[in-house]
Amino acid sequence: NAGVMQNPRHLVRRRGQEARLRCSPMKGHSHVYWYRQLPEEGLKFMVYLQKENIIDESGMPKERFSAEFPKEGPSILRIQQVVRGDSAAYFCASSTYRDADTGELFFGEGSRLTVL
Amino acid sequence: SQELEQSPQSLIVQEGKNLTINCTSSKTLYGLYWYKQKYGEGLIFLMMLQKGGEEKSHEKITAKLDEKKQQSSLHITASQPSHAGIYLCGAENRDDKIIFGKGTRLHILP
Repeated sequence: NAGVMQNPRHLVRRRGQEARLRCSPMKGHSHVYWYRQLPEEGLKFMVYLQKENIIDESGMPKERFSAEFPKEGPSILRIQQVVRGDSAAYFCASSTYRDADTGELFFGEGSRLTVL
Repeated sequence: SQELEQSPQSLIVQEGKNLTINCTSSKTLYGLYWYKQKYGEGLIFLMMLQKGGEEKSHEKITAKLDEKKQQSSLHITASQPSHAGIYLCGAENRDDKIIFGKGTRLHILP
């Protein structure tokens, strides 16, 4: 059973370009979370999605950022017209409605975006 | 909104010594997660606590959730270089959203 898969692991974009980050949750998981981590800081919640629904996007910037989790395929975090301040590691996590035994939220390895 | 405060922000410990990291929530915790992150890498799940007074251990790491469910501590016994990294506590709120503290950076001196 593969873990949470994120790609690309590293992405370089110039200011004004678009960045698309993909997250394939663990098999059977219908809940996906996106977090952003700036250098030397903790994880900041961005958005929580279930299949085809955004449950909570209170951590998402109002402009340029969007997320989706379609019925088929991975969850996508899309950043339009990137700026240098968007440079960060973006982590995806997935779960069922909580893992029955441990309650674990399973994290991917992250996608590191660098904006030049 | 709920906030998590971790202390200390950074910790340097001699190998073999014990240490404690604290996580305090501004609101009642419905679930408290501890993760470890090695620098530049992903997150490794350590344990989750839900019940007031609950205590769990994994190898040399023990975590406790206080009776009021607003504070948790992570204790490492006889620290080793492999314990170095960033320790993050995460809190689950009533809406299933999980927020994290800023982390505690642990360095182990040989």
